[in-house]
Amino acid sequence: GAGVSQSPSNKVTEKGKDVELRCDPISGHTALYWYRQRLGQGLEFLIYFQGNSAPDKSGLPSDRFSAERTGESVSTLTIQRTQQEDSAVYLCASSLAASGGRTEAFFGQGTRLTVV
Amino acid sequence: AQKVTQAQTEISVVEKEDVTLDCVYETRDTTYYLFWYKQPPSGELVFLIRRNSFDEQNEISGRYSWNFQKSTSSFNFTITASQVVDSAVYFCALSALRSQGNLIFGKGTKLSVKP
Repeated sequence: GAGVSQSPSNKVTEKGKDVELRCDPISGHTALYWYRQRLGQGLEFLIYFQGNSAPDKSGLPSDRFSAERTGESVSTLTIQRTQQEDSAVYLCASSLAASGGRTEAFFGQGTRLTVV
Repeated sequence: AQKVTQAQTEISVVEKEDVTLDCVYETRDTTYYLFWYKQPPSGELVFLIRRNSFDEQNEISGRYSWNFQKSTSSFNFTITASQVVDSAVYFCALSALRSQGNLIFGKGTKLSVKP
């Protein structure tokens, strides 16, 4: 597609339920990033993929969070047993190559997750 | 460790004023890249500029200009003759080889331009 696509755009879930957030990067982009942005806050790094592997998972806040990427394309961020503090906008970005940031990352519009 | 500091949390100016957004970064890498992104109220982050660590030449794009100074580890962003449409949150970001390409963001500066 023309840009990074994220779905759903909005998700309301009950505390304790699992959710899956999807990201479709720009075609041909090998690097993919997930960030979390709480209301009025900055971008908190979660995980980054180079191809299908994740060299840096250091930002995942707990073992309830996991992510995978298949076919060097779509990525899914899964949050198990959601908690109210997981409420945030989850942003996905992709870039042509990671390699120290030689190319800029393009962002999707995010998924707004609300845990009630 | 890689770190980006945007000390200004919020700035409010009147239209046509010039405004400078500060960004200070930390990295031990000699090769790194600096970025500015704009996040308007709609929420989507928009790429503004990328600068590599070997190019200290300042850049101007219309009303936007960037001042990169390695000596002070700063990459400041100036908007000349600000307009209401410039109102947004602006993020500075750093990517370095040690972080394997990961983009580290500052906490952002919220700019409000009033008519």
